[in-house]
Amino acid sequence: QKEVEQDPGPLSVPEGAIVSLNCTYSNSAFQYFMWYRQYSRKGPELLMYTYSSGNKEDGRFTAQVDKSSKYISLFIRDSQPSDSATYLCAMITSGSARQLTFGSGTQLTVLP
Amino acid sequence: KAGVTQTPRYLIKTRGQQVTLSCSPISGHRSVSWYQQTPGQGLQFLFEYFSETQRNKGNFPGRFSGRQFSNSRSEMNVSTLELGDSALYLCASSLAFLTGGRDTEAFFGQGTRLTVV
Repeated sequence: QKEVEQDPGPLSVPEGAIVSLNCTYSNSAFQYFMWYRQYSRKGPELLMYTYSSGNKEDGRFTAQVDKSSKYISLFIRDSQPSDSATYLCAMITSGSARQLTFGSGTQLTVLP
Repeated sequence: KAGVTQTPRYLIKTRGQQVTLSCSPISGHRSVSWYQQTPGQGLQFLFEYFSETQRNKGNFPGRFSGRQFSNSRSEMNVSTLELGDSALYLCASSLAFLTGGRDTEAFFGQGTRLTVV
C-alpha cells in the first residue's frame, strides 16, 4: 500500500463547476501538506501549502486538511479551462529525513 | 529571474549505458532535489543535495547517484541503464534544505525525458 493515495481520475467538469480533489495518507509523521499543479510537458508548480488541520483559502483554491482522518482535499471554485492540468498532493514528514512524497496525480479537464 | 534549467530536455540511451543529467537551480538557491516521474509510479523522490552534501535519499538502487557543485548546480547519474529507467527526471531547487515550510518552496524545472531502448 502506498503511503499517499490520490483519487486517480481523470475528472472532467464544465466551466464554473466546483472541483474536489482528494488524497489519503497512512503515515502519521506527515506534517506538511502541499498541492502542486502540473501542466502538460511542464514541471509541477506549488499551488497551496498548509501544515495544520482546517481550511486554507487562496483565491479560488481552498486546501483542507483533516489529520485525524489522514485526509486532505483541494477545492477549486468557479473552475476555468485554464485550470485543466494534473493536480498532485504532496507531503513531508517532520523528522530529519525529509522528502516530498507525492500522490499519483489527478488529471482535471475543465470544459468551456 | 531565471527558473530552474535542466539539460538535456530529451535523451535516448541504450540498455547498459550510463547517463548524466544536469540541473541549474535558481540563483541563490542552495538545495537541489531530484525526482523520477513515470505513469505507473508517479513522482518519486530520488535525493536532495544542500551545500554539496547529500542530505536525503529515496528508495532507489545505487545505480542512481548525484552530486552538487559549489555553485549549487547538480548532476544526476544513472549507470547500467534498464528499460524501466525510462521516465521524466525532474529537479527542483529551493532556498534552503527542504523542511516543508513555505520559505523552502521547491521550484521545478521542465525535466529531462529519458528513453531507454
